[in-house]
This record gives sequence, C-alpha cells and structure tokens, in this order.
Amino acid sequence: DTGVSQDPRHKITKRGQNVTFRCDPISEHNRLYWYRQTLGQGPEFLTYFQNEAQLEKSRLLSDRFSAERPKGSFSTLEIQRTEQGDSAMYLCASSSRAGGFSPLHFGNGTRLTVT
Amino acid sequence: QKEVEQDPGPLSVPEGAIVSLNCTYSNSAFQYFMWYRQYSRKGPELLMYTYSSGNKEDGRFTAQVDKSSKYISLFIRDSQPSDSATYLCAMSSDLRNRDDKIIFGKGTRLHILP
Repeated sequence: DTGVSQDPRHKITKRGQNVTFRCDPISEHNRLYWYRQTLGQGPEFLTYFQNEAQLEKSRLLSDRFSAERPKGSFSTLEIQRTEQGDSAMYLCASSSRAGGFSPLHFGNGTRLTVT
Repeated sequence: QKEVEQDPGPLSVPEGAIVSLNCTYSNSAFQYFMWYRQYSRKGPELLMYTYSSGNKEDGRFTAQVDKSSKYISLFIRDSQPSDSATYLCAMSSDLRNRDDKIIFGKGTRLHILP
C-alpha cells in the first residue's frame, strides 16, 4: 500500500501567479477528495470525484480554482491568480466505493504560501 | 452554530493519564462518526470510526457516541508522549449517498508530558 501521494510538499508563490498541485490516490480507490486546512482549523471540503466525474464542489471553491481527474486516476488542483488568502495546506484523500463504509485516506498535503 | 464543535485546546496531561476528547454536533442526520489523528506537517490518519450510537474499543482507544445528546468522545488510556498530536472528530450522514461528505471539527491539540 503506497498510500496517497501529493506533489509538491511545499509551494511558495507570489500573489497573482498560477499554481497546480497533483494527487495520486491509492490505486484501487475510485473516490478522490480535495480538502483545505488552515492553521488551527479542521480540513474543509472543496470537491470530490467518483472516477473521472466531479460530483460536488463546495462554495469555498471560487472560479479561480479548478480540479480535474481526467482518467479517473490522479487528480490536479489548479489555483489561478493566487491571493494571500489561498495560503493553506491542500489535502487530498481517497476512498473506495466497493460497498460499506470506507474511510478517507489522506496524503500529507501540499503547503501553499502566497507572498 | 457550526455543524461540528470541538474545543481546540491545547490539552496537556501527564504521561499515563486517561485523556478525554469530545465533540458536539447539530446535524441529527449524522450516522458515521470518526476520529482522526494528525501529527505536525502530516495528513490526518484514521484512528477509529463508529456507526450510530454506542462504544467501540481498539487497544488503548475507546470511542463513544451518544446520539441523543449529539455528543461523541474519544478516550485514550495510558497516554504516551507519542500520542501528542491534533485529534480531529469527523462525521457524515450517509457515505453511500452521491452527495455525502465528511465534516471535520477544528481539532484538539493534545500534549502528553513525559
């Protein structure tokens, strides 16, 4: 079990720049989630995919954010025209829909700092 | 009122003590209750989960759910310095549904003092 992998671990960018993060879920998992976590807060739901279909987006996900999962495997999260308020840990998680309860397995996140 | 309330701490206890962590919630539709542990600069990892009301034990950890009070607890016996982390409660109404999602509390920072 290689776990959920996220890349990069850290990203420092200047305000106004675009950034893209990648998530590789556990291979047999067909659900993939993106969460955002700021200091002292729990993870906040952003969006999730079942296979390649994006099934729900939080209102936290402004038009500057876009997520894709083109082949139902890895996913990317892009933030355009970054703002200082985007600084956070971006967490990816995956789970299986094989039946019954399947908890989320998280990666170690991408920490974004917007200067 | 937030859907899930959790005291952020920090909570400091001496090694060997029993730790009690808890959350309250407002959504009576929640059926699945989870506890995650998060070490600094790491992603959350699942400790335990329960469905509906009742208790569940796993080694030194016991999870309790009281749906009538909308209150859940995690107890850690014989606490160790390695238990020092942030503990997140999380809940969901029905993970089989198309639009399900897991809602997290803010997390409680726990320090076990050697």
